[in-house]
Amino acid sequence: EVQLVESGGGLVQPGGSLRLSCAASGFTFSSHPMNWVRQAPGKGLEWLSYISSRTNTIYYADSVKGRFIISRDNAKNSLYLQMNSLRAEDTAVYYCARDAMTTDVADYWGQGTLVTVSS
Amino acid sequence: IVLTQSPVTLSLSPGERATLSCRASQSVSSHLAWYQQKPGQAPRLLIYEASNRATGIPARFSGSGSGTDFTLTISSLEPEDFAVYYCQQRSGWPTFGQGTKVEIK
Repeated sequence: EVQLVESGGGLVQPGGSLRLSCAASGFTFSSHPMNWVRQAPGKGLEWLSYISSRTNTIYYADSVKGRFIISRDNAKNSLYLQMNSLRAEDTAVYYCARDAMTTDVADYWGQGTLVTVSS
Repeated sequence: IVLTQSPVTLSLSPGERATLSCRASQSVSSHLAWYQQKPGQAPRLLIYEASNRATGIPARFSGSGSGTDFTLTISSLEPEDFAVYYCQQRSGWPTFGQGTKVEIK
């Protein structure tokens, strides 16, 4: 069974940093591109970042470019999101999502972790 | 690429047919997916590449369209289908529509 479990969310002050993790199991992690997507409270979905299976391709949304860093450790079956210079508007549930191997679609999602940026 | 979903809210009864629309600001070919999200849950993939059902998705869900106009149809609503539905394109940088809430009438 495919499982994605996010962790690392919490309350952080504006300007602070946080590192999210996503532990993957039930599939060959190193074969799949991965993504981070967020959802502000009561709002829609926003794609944040993409990383290819071997880390040779990385993309960021303009809203987080220069502040967030996506990475992965295929040996540990883990995906990460380092979030720096956090702002109130970064408050959201953060999801990791697996891309299918043969098509550009996020076919499995974790349950999400809540990040609250507030003083 | 901006995706515009309509209607914002759809009020229907169980057993009725639901038709949800997603329009793209420019052609996305068939690179469009549909997701279902229930309160407090992660999105669940329903349809990919405009018309392909994801693994385990019931046949009452179907997708159609290409280019800029897409439709998600639920042929006969079950109680568990009342949720928010998002379309999403992967032709360029991934973007989502604002969602359509299917609520019980």
